[in-house]
Amino acid sequence: LAKTTQPISMDSYEGQEVNITCSHNNIATNDYITWYQQFPSQGPRFIIQGYKTKVTNEVASLFIPADRKSSTLSLPRVSLSDTAVYYCLVGDRDRDDKIIFGKGTRLHILP
Amino acid sequence: DAGVIQSPRHEVTEMGQEVTLRCKPISGHNSLFWYRQTMMRGLELLIYFNNNVPIDDSGMPEDRFSAKMPNASFSTLKIQPSEPRDSAVYFCASSPWTGTVNEQYFGPGTRLTVT
Repeated sequence: LAKTTQPISMDSYEGQEVNITCSHNNIATNDYITWYQQFPSQGPRFIIQGYKTKVTNEVASLFIPADRKSSTLSLPRVSLSDTAVYYCLVGDRDRDDKIIFGKGTRLHILP
Repeated sequence: DAGVIQSPRHEVTEMGQEVTLRCKPISGHNSLFWYRQTMMRGLELLIYFNNNVPIDDSGMPEDRFSAKMPNASFSTLKIQPSEPRDSAVYFCASSPWTGTVNEQYFGPGTRLTVT
């Protein structure tokens, strides 16, 4: 299973675009990249999943370069309510990999 | 849809007591997961069921932990006997897909404190 590395914490300001990068140097050919968000005292919530290039939904965008050794979660125009822990996970959907959440990135949005 | 339902939301018990945590997955979901979250170890997958059958229990820390899924709408995680180091938030999640990599829907968690 590919190991992921992401910053422990980040600060940003309301209205800014926030980019959180995750490194996964040993990603396998069939692995997908998934991001979850966890607010204090709540369970994690799925944000987005992708395999290559760019994926966008109503919450975020996920950018994956051609070598797929890293990925960037982009949150447009953040608000205070985006303060949360963000987890990057990598795994093969078809092989039934056991994903590892790790410690995530603690994002703190300032007014 | 009510989402994943867990009970109780908080549990305080004494060391040596039996603890049972309960989970009702989202209707129609055929996969169910139990996780444990602590500051030290983060979020760990304990066990994963598919169609009520345990698929992977390699994350269950020791024999004191057991999980059952008697039907598609109910699962329990039991700790007997409980120890202070079991104090954590326990999450249940369900998914309409097979495997842990596909989107999971998490419940609100049960905060367990063992004194």
